[in-house]
Amino acid sequence: DAGVTQSPTHLIKTRGQHVTLRCSPISGHKSVSWYQQVLGQGPQFIFQYYEKEERGRGNFPDRFSARQFPNYSSELNVNALLLGDSALYLCASSALGVDSSYEQYFGPGTRLTVT
Amino acid sequence: AQKVTQAQTEISVVEKEDVTLDCVYETRDTTYYLFWYKQPPSGELVFLIRRNSFDEQNEISGRYSWNFQKSTSSFNFTITASQVVDSAVYFCALSEVDYGNNRLAFGKGNQVVVIP
Repeated sequence: DAGVTQSPTHLIKTRGQHVTLRCSPISGHKSVSWYQQVLGQGPQFIFQYYEKEERGRGNFPDRFSARQFPNYSSELNVNALLLGDSALYLCASSALGVDSSYEQYFGPGTRLTVT
Repeated sequence: AQKVTQAQTEISVVEKEDVTLDCVYETRDTTYYLFWYKQPPSGELVFLIRRNSFDEQNEISGRYSWNFQKSTSSFNFTITASQVVDSAVYFCALSEVDYGNNRLAFGKGNQVVVIP
């Protein structure tokens, strides 16, 4: 079975531009979460979606938005890019239920560089 | 608010030595999950182990073992007989149980370097 997939792998943008990152969860998983990982730090939670509804939001500005589609794939959008948005953006999927459903499985990430 | 602290930043060991990573957490919930993830140079986070807050039994899985002590809010992780392939950043993470939301709070990570 395919794992979590993310596209693109790498991206270079200029300050002020907009970016869209995409994620496809593991087949059968209905929850997608997004994390931002700045170099040398642990991942920071941005959003979680379950059944197309936002279930959690981290401490990020409104320039960050996301959505989940009927097929459970997801997009993360960032507007008005700043240099500080340069990071590895990780997508994770989980079944989101009880017991063993709580593991989150991560994709390879999208490395965003803002110049 | 949930918080995870990993004090050591970089740990170097010679191959076949054991390495223990410390993790201390803070949470106001009585039910929560603790995790260890591995991040090799490729960047993808790999799930290693999970422990429920109501189960303090320590276990061994292959070369991995963990020591969960609720009284001290610690969840330490040990790699036995380290190998070069174990070189990676290891993250401890906490998830408070809330049906519909299982966000993870990560520590800053421990860079493990295994020297052949």
